[in-house]
Amino acid sequence: EVQLVESGGGLVKPGRSLRLSCTASGFTFGDYAMSWFRQAPGKGLEWVGFIRSKPYGEATDYAASVKGRFTISRDDSKSLAYLQMNSLQTEDTAVYYCARDRTAVSFWGQGTLVTVSS
Amino acid sequence: EIVLTQSPGTLSLSPGERATLSCRASQSVRNSYLAWYQQKPGQAPRLLIYSASSRATDIPDRFSGSGSGTDFTLTISRLEPEDSAVYYCQHYASSPHTFGQGTKLEIK
Repeated sequence: EVQLVESGGGLVKPGRSLRLSCTASGFTFGDYAMSWFRQAPGKGLEWVGFIRSKPYGEATDYAASVKGRFTISRDDSKSLAYLQMNSLQTEDTAVYYCARDRTAVSFWGQGTLVTVSS
Repeated sequence: EIVLTQSPGTLSLSPGERATLSCRASQSVRNSYLAWYQQKPGQAPRLLIYSASSRATDIPDRFSGSGSGTDFTLTISRLEPEDSAVYYCQHYASSPHTFGQGTKLEIK
């Protein structure tokens, strides 16, 4: 069974950093791209970005709203994907979801809440 | 950037009725790389349709997708109470992989 579990969310002050982790199981992690999405409270879904698998050079792509501040990485030996978030702003407050694949996504984590507030 | 506009914003229908949800793109979606998701409160999204018209695994055949180019439709025939949710379209044809703003479906 495919499982994705996010961790690392919490309350952080504006301008600070936070790293989210996504622990994957139930599939060969290294074979798949991994994506991150977010959803601000009461709002719609937003694509954050993805990282492709090693055969594709672990290429990354990001939404304009996070480019230059957020970095997606992966550790295939541990079946982990990461979302490093720097220079956090209040508008980054959201539930963050990791997901398998970079196109139509069948498998999602349960999400972790990040609150950016002073 | 492809902007997706969903309509209507809210749809209120009775069980057994048919729901028709629209997703219009600001430019053509290459290869019909468009997906539909269902999201219930407090839950992660659930993939319903990919490539505009292919049903995802374990999705009932009451759900169907159609369209190409800039106009796409999600149809839910024979509505059931558990279909109450917000439905989003998303394209993955080019970066960024934007979502529509969602359609809230209420079952009376």
